[in-house]
Amino acid sequence: KQEVTQIPAALSVPEGENLVLNCSFTDSAIYNLQWFRQDPGKGLTSLLLIQSSQREQTSGRLNASLDKSSGRSTLYIAASQPGDSATYLCAVRSGNTGKLIFGQGTTLQVKP
Amino acid sequence: SAVISQKPSRDICQRGTSLTIQCQVDSQVTMMFWYRQQPGQSLTLIATANQGSEATYESGFVIDKFPISRPNLTFSTLTVSNMSPEDSSIYLCSVGRTAETEQYFGPGTRLTVT
Repeated sequence: KQEVTQIPAALSVPEGENLVLNCSFTDSAIYNLQWFRQDPGKGLTSLLLIQSSQREQTSGRLNASLDKSSGRSTLYIAASQPGDSATYLCAVRSGNTGKLIFGQGTTLQVKP
Repeated sequence: SAVISQKPSRDICQRGTSLTIQCQVDSQVTMMFWYRQQPGQSLTLIATANQGSEATYESGFVIDKFPISRPNLTFSTLTVSNMSPEDSSIYLCSVGRTAETEQYFGPGTRLTVT
């Protein structure tokens, strides 16, 4: 059974810092992995989708890497801003059904 | 991307009643899903809404409790039946075109059962 873990559960950094969020999964046979952002009381916003054959994806200040063999993904946020404060969720897709299995999330606070 | 709307955005319901949540997408999509997010928790898949046939439920979720309809490729409903306080959660609809593409989420329905 696929399990997804995110470390740390919470993170507080000063504005301008570069930071890394970690995601690990137990079954390396994944289809792809998607990173989301969730603001308090809101739905999920898709940030990056990385296919199992890819090593990384970039969007603006965000960079996601994937090491399928070791069951790990990282989300790198450059030059963090207070507006980046949110919960970041990692989700893996293990088959072609589209079903996502989520980690517990990392709640990020960026202080001005 | 896809624009997804959900109704209602929130509701407070009494124990023993039922609530139907609607999910509307601005374009035809192959895959539609319903997730639950309990307070302070991450998301758990309830079921896959199949167009023209019965939904596919995940372990721990049953059709009598969470009946789902999907009459076409842009609309689905989830009913939470015979509610108890333990059903208090955010219910989210999500869509995707294929397993290779991004999955998008609606804004969610925040349900409180008293």
